[in-house]
Amino acid sequence: DAEITQSPRHKITETGRQVTLACHQTWNHNNMFWYRQDLGHGLRLIHYSYGVQDTNKGEVSDGYSVSRSNTEDLPLTLESAASSQTSVYFCASSGGSLLREQYFGPGTRLTVT
Amino acid sequence: SQQGEEDPQALSIQEGENATMNCSYKTSINNLQWYRQNSGRGLVHLILIRSNEREKHSGRLRVTLDTSKKSSSLLITASRAADTASYFCATDEGAQKLVFGQGTRLTINP
Repeated sequence: DAEITQSPRHKITETGRQVTLACHQTWNHNNMFWYRQDLGHGLRLIHYSYGVQDTNKGEVSDGYSVSRSNTEDLPLTLESAASSQTSVYFCASSGGSLLREQYFGPGTRLTVT
Repeated sequence: SQQGEEDPQALSIQEGENATMNCSYKTSINNLQWYRQNSGRGLVHLILIRSNEREKHSGRLRVTLDTSKKSSSLLITASRAADTASYFCATDEGAQKLVFGQGTRLTINP
């Protein structure tokens, strides 16, 4: 069965370190998204991609970067982790239009100390 | 920007009762979607309703859309303990991406 996976599921890192969160989907979807979820803010879009070599900034992109070198993967990099980036991160993908239903991964809980 | 706003923020009902959640939004939309999130899990898509549709059903779920009032409701009939979760609406804000609300936490008491 097709799926979307994230790794690691939990990560603790120190302020200033570079961190990369992995996202891999086997749906063969063109569109992939990264969100963060925080109490009081709901789900906020960080970056998204329409396809290979395409990336776009979302609502809260400062301090984050992504690259799309193939259809299956969209890794999220925190260039220099900050305590404000402690959150739960979700990757999602969708096929066809960007407005189609999205399929979410299980999430990565990141703690920056 | 926050497009969809769910109401109420939290809802607690007895098993077997119906649960109704509402979503309001600000700008014109192409479609509106509802998602469920169980504790510690990712979101799961429930239903998508297009702007030219007024009502849609899926099993025990019924979604209505009133574009004149810029609002939608999700009704879960004959609730079960397994329906305990957070429910989110998402709208496209007229742009090519979805914006999620903060969700309604639904608790079904046995």
